[in-house]
Amino acid sequence: DGGITQSPKYLFRKEGQNVTLSCEQNLNHDAMYWYRQDPGQGLRLIYYSQIVNDFQKGDIAEGYSVSREKKESFPLTVTSAQKNPTAFYLCASSTGTAYLFGYTFGSGTRLTVV
Amino acid sequence: GENVEQHPSTLSVQEGDSAVIKCTYSDSASNYFPWYKQELGKRPQLIIDIRSNVGEKKDQRIAVTLNKTAKHFSLHITETQPEDSAVYFCAASWQTGANNLFFGTGTRLTVIP
Repeated sequence: DGGITQSPKYLFRKEGQNVTLSCEQNLNHDAMYWYRQDPGQGLRLIYYSQIVNDFQKGDIAEGYSVSREKKESFPLTVTSAQKNPTAFYLCASSTGTAYLFGYTFGSGTRLTVV
Repeated sequence: GENVEQHPSTLSVQEGDSAVIKCTYSDSASNYFPWYKQELGKRPQLIIDIRSNVGEKKDQRIAVTLNKTAKHFSLHITETQPEDSAVYFCAASWQTGANNLFFGTGTRLTVIP
């Protein structure tokens, strides 16, 4: 799988810990996105970034933080303020004109609170 | 913002039959409608998309139709095969604005051999 890489594939977090999910792309895409996927609830937008050093909150940003210091990288930190973090997290990227080409998704990170 | 509704949430069909998944959207400015297929444990992948200047698009056994007046679009899969079993997501977007895709809640399609 080339293009957009998420790591780790599985992640376990203890109560009160912050954890960071990695997302790297080599597609030269300007825009990157983080989605959370829960059973029966589809894909919910956490944060997105249209350009380096800029990002915007999505629908469920509370308890999460991001950074976009490089075009290739958009890490997501799940903070202790996120009360129900167990979910499947998907990172995606686009050329910045999602209406033309849609998204390319990473293979996801499954986060479990233990 | 845009609101996309998708039905049904689950769908079972016999191999060889057709499957239809329907989505409605709320924002009349939306003009791009992709469909993604997510196999178990894998990433969503774009399978077909349609833009508002056409009413139908076909790619082998898959077709998408769009009714802009009614603000709904549908995915049609003919001659279904077991490998079509997956979760399918519809989405909507518009040319201006944040360039985000707004996703439906997904349809789990099971093709019974």
